[in-house]
Amino acid sequence: DIQLHQSPSSLSASVGDTITITCRARENIRSYLNWYQQKPGKAPQVLISAASSLESGVPSRFSGSGSGTDFTLTISSLQPEDFATYYCQQGYSNSWSFGQGTKVEI
Amino acid sequence: EVQLVESGGGLVQPGGSLRLSCAASGFTFSSSWMHWVRQPPGKGLVWVARVNTDGSRTYYDDSVTGRFTISRDNAENTLYLEMSRLRVEDTAIYYCAREYYGLWTGYYFDVWGQGRLVTVSS
Repeated sequence: DIQLHQSPSSLSASVGDTITITCRARENIRSYLNWYQQKPGKAPQVLISAASSLESGVPSRFSGSGSGTDFTLTISSLQPEDFATYYCQQGYSNSWSFGQGTKVEI
Repeated sequence: EVQLVESGGGLVQPGGSLRLSCAASGFTFSSSWMHWVRQPPGKGLVWVARVNTDGSRTYYDDSVTGRFTISRDNAENTLYLEMSRLRVEDTAIYYCAREYYGLWTGYYFDVWGQGRLVTVSS
């Protein structure tokens, strides 16, 4: 199974800040890396697919980059509704996997 | 409206068995690969299992291999997760999710159920 290491596990930020979350895969997963946002009591929602493709309806302040083993999620000008937990997920192998998550707190 | 609705779950003793169901509607269920994902209370998401469109190919996380079985009934538009030899550490919210594939977007989860709590405790 392909392990994903996400960092940091949590971070504190303020409205208007720019933050970056990283995700590292144990092996080359090309661009098969997705990012999800999850709020308490809710199912996750996809933000970015294929490392850098912004999903329809997702604000442009979210962006993703990377390929191979190293990936980043950047949120520019953090908004109050962005305080949530973020997960990376790989869809490269037959068995999928998630990173451990990054909780973004005020 | 595209929708996934889980049912089943609840409280079970260690070593017991349970079956989760996921009813799909609003899309052609038989054309979609499907998954189960779980989330222990207060913890992160964990991928559990995956099944192809006709149920002939299945994949599992190592933690559930040999104990859990994913299956589907395309005539009933329903996905299942049979769980046996349950352990306390299997306690989690279980989500069913649809797999999406796009040429430019790759593979990801595009539709999720609301989740169902399974508690394994004596």
